[in-house]
Amino acid sequence: DTAVSQTPKYLVTQMGNDKSIKCEQNLGHDTMYWYKQDSKKFLKIMFSYNNKELIINETVPNRFSPKSPDKAHLNLHINSLELGDSAVYFCASSQWLRGYNSPLHFGNGTRLTVT
Amino acid sequence: AQSVTQLDSQVPVFEEAPVELRCNYSSSVSVYLFWYVQYPNQGLQLLLKYLSGSTLVESINGFEAEFNKSQTSFHLRKPSVHISDTAEYFCAVDSGGSYIPTFGRGTSLIVHP
Repeated sequence: DTAVSQTPKYLVTQMGNDKSIKCEQNLGHDTMYWYKQDSKKFLKIMFSYNNKELIINETVPNRFSPKSPDKAHLNLHINSLELGDSAVYFCASSQWLRGYNSPLHFGNGTRLTVT
Repeated sequence: AQSVTQLDSQVPVFEEAPVELRCNYSSSVSVYLFWYVQYPNQGLQLLLKYLSGSTLVESINGFEAEFNKSQTSFHLRKPSVHISDTAEYFCAVDSGGSYIPTFGRGTSLIVHP
């Protein structure tokens, strides 16, 4: 059983389009994240949600909008896609444990290619 | 604030040789430290973690890391690597409280036959 699942795995689209990536976790965790990994493997935090509430919103264009309908889901919607948005996007989850976050569980990523 | 520095972007090594991947962190409070591994076309997986107690922590596949508070380091070591260890390795720090985990830029371990 996949703990953190993302769909789709691959996403190829043209500039200017709007697309969504979905993420679901079945671990019962209370915190979910979106990370962007560039071609040099650098992982950058984009958003973090705790119990459906946004707690971290790094410097990300407002074309990116996360939505958390419940604790188990965190979706990422991207408007007006640009070439520079091409990357691998990872969803992750963790549980808040007496003062620190449990280790993160990652999905397998969504490779977004904007042409 | 917290930060992580992985000093080597790429580490090539021959099979069965020892390897060390370096990680230094910066934080103004107590830290929790992690190493994650990313195999090609996969997400990151936890390799090992330091939360408290013994400063030497081990993984099930032969890796170990030692927390050194005076040197603010958490280097990853393996005495004999396999081809299958070829992957990207990420060090991460979590200072607890309102912080979220911060990842280093990753080290690509390339094991040659």
